Amino acid sequence: EIVLTQSPATLSLSPGERATLSCRASQGVSNWLGWYQQKPGQAPRLLIYDASNRAAGIPARFSGSGSGTDFTLTINSLESEDFAVYYCQQRINWPFTFGGGTKVEIK
Amino acid sequence: QVQLQESGPGLVKPSETLSLTCTVSGGSVTSGAYYWTWIRQPLGKGLEWIGYISYHGYTNYNPSLASRVTISKDASENQFSLKVNSVTAADTAVYFCAREPHGAFFDSWGQGSPVTVSS
Repeated sequence: EIVLTQSPATLSLSPGERATLSCRASQGVSNWLGWYQQKPGQAPRLLIYDASNRAAGIPARFSGSGSGTDFTLTINSLESEDFAVYYCQQRINWPFTFGGGTKVEIK
Repeated sequence: QVQLQESGPGLVKPSETLSLTCTVSGGSVTSGAYYWTWIRQPLGKGLEWIGYISYHGYTNYNPSLASRVTISKDASENQFSLKVNSVTAADTAVYFCAREPHGAFFDSWGQGSPVTVSS
């Protein structure tokens, strides 16, 4: 099973700042990595697929990068609705696995 | 626009069977383009992929749960279902159904169904 480690666990930032979230895989996943946003009481929402492609309707301030074992989700100029928990997920091998999440909170 | 909706008991006794159903609207569980998936999330914790069923009934389960899990579908009702037997408190979680396009990520989710295992 591929283990995904996300860091930091919590990111405290102010609106307008940039958020940089990391996801590291225990073995290479090529670019088969996605990012999801989850708000309290809601289901996750797909933001980024194949490491760097924005899903339909996702604002351009969200971007993903990386390949192999190291990936980054960047949120430029945080808006109030961006404060949430973010998960990465790999789909190169079954069982599909998720990272433990990074909470982006208001400073 | 596809929509998924989970339903089922919110409370299950230890050692019994957890049963949930996901009703799909705006799409079909017989579509060859998708895998129909279950994912769970213990309260305050991360996400765990449980498994999926394909349009022709092929299933694939997380090895950690495979001995206790069954996913099935009912094309006439446009639903797919999850059964987890011999449940314990560790199975307490919010259970999500989701759609996975082949070769892609989970692009549509239900709102989640909380299940508590307790006597």
